[in-house]
Amino acid sequence: DAGITQSPRHKVTETGTPVTLRCHQTENHRYMYWYRQDPGHGLRLIHYSYGVKDTDKGEVSDGYSVSRSKTEDFLLTLESATSSQTSVYFCATRTGPLSYEQYFGPGTRLTVT
Amino acid sequence: DQQVKQNSPSLSVQEGRISILNCDYTNSMFDYFLWYKKYPAEGPTFLISISSIKDKNEDGRFTVFLNKSAKHLSLHIVPSQPGDSAVYFCAASGAGGTSYGKLTFGQGTILTVHP
Repeated sequence: DAGITQSPRHKVTETGTPVTLRCHQTENHRYMYWYRQDPGHGLRLIHYSYGVKDTDKGEVSDGYSVSRSKTEDFLLTLESATSSQTSVYFCATRTGPLSYEQYFGPGTRLTVT
Repeated sequence: DQQVKQNSPSLSVQEGRISILNCDYTNSMFDYFLWYKKYPAEGPTFLISISSIKDKNEDGRFTVFLNKSAKHLSLHIVPSQPGDSAVYFCAASGAGGTSYGKLTFGQGTILTVHP
């Protein structure tokens, strides 16, 4: 358990509105990741961070941006939410370069109407 | 392009029997494989992993087998218990360096263990 919290846990928003999801960790892990989970697709990587202010795109990054100004916080922003972004979003952390295991937060269920 | 595939969406097993979950991959650069377990409304939790230099790894009731030539791995749960009922994801990681530990996940298999 890497002490990962996500907020909000549930959110309903309208198409076209901006949304920011927050991931907070207390273990000082260097690497952080954002995934989305959809039926039939498993978990797909949206963006990841390998240090403060160091981020990069994942497999499904279109329509999403991220920021990491502190080690403990990794923010995911949907600039203009669309119905296709209705999903469950998970944040994960990894301790360092010698470890492969990732530890996941409890998830945020986002519904875009 | 699904690089990691779990072709069985669901598996139903009797308590006490063996559960075998399968996973196939296409990218030969993957060098580390993991299994995660997920209960409803919770995040995935790490279960067991295996490096590509091994063909078997055991942890209690859980054993993962890797067949590199076939690009196939499997998770064996013996004996299965009702509490094992969950969604199981296999995941693969490429070599270090610029991969930054990114994981590629399969679609998941729903395991139901009946009492």
